[in-house]
Amino acid sequence: ETGVTQTPRHLVMGMTNKKSLKCEQHLGHNAMYWYKQSAKKPLELMFVYNFKEQTENNSVPSRFSPECPNSSHLFLHLHTLQPEDSALYLCASSQEGTSGEETQYFGPGTRLLVL
Amino acid sequence: QKEVEQNSGPLSVPEGAIASLNCTYSDRVSQSFFWYRQYSGKSPELIMSIYSNGDKEDGRFTAQLNKASQYVSLLIRDSQPSDSATYLCAVPGGSGGYQKVTFGTGTKLQVIP
Repeated sequence: ETGVTQTPRHLVMGMTNKKSLKCEQHLGHNAMYWYKQSAKKPLELMFVYNFKEQTENNSVPSRFSPECPNSSHLFLHLHTLQPEDSALYLCASSQEGTSGEETQYFGPGTRLLVL
Repeated sequence: QKEVEQNSGPLSVPEGAIASLNCTYSDRVSQSFFWYRQYSGKSPELIMSIYSNGDKEDGRFTAQLNKASQYVSLLIRDSQPSDSATYLCAVPGGSGGYQKVTFGTGTKLQVIP
């Protein structure tokens, strides 16, 4: 186990539903990330939070809404998703400095299917 | 546009052989490079990082970096069936900032017993 947990592990939702993904890190890190992994595509960075502040929004549609109440918890709120949003959603955390050598540790992911 | 290119494979090697995985990147400013392993249905896990030109060895794994050629590779010696996975090359930062990590599509490795 990497110290990063995600719930739920699997989620099936309709296009009109609202759901939330949860991530928690137990590593004392100060940065957290959401990634999307679709089949045959590279991991795509969605959002970055440093010390609870969002520092990166990688042109993500507004139907994805992140929330970071503290440095240990990260949520991804989902609403009116499309079938093409079906993917593995991965949370990661890191201890950020300035060297560029900081390692990101991933959670197990949430497998999302949008019907 | 920062890009990280990998051959998607699959790369098939017999058990005990050396597996060579390659990655090229486009951002000349990039200073650090990571290799992640991802088993099917699992999340990526870091196996190697390299920051300086040359070789870095860790057990059966050797990472090689050539910044002039913008090329980073991963060698796996004495390949085992348990090494069968997808290997992701990751390049953080550069002009995009350290936390904006760009991943390659990954190379699928199959080690044949």
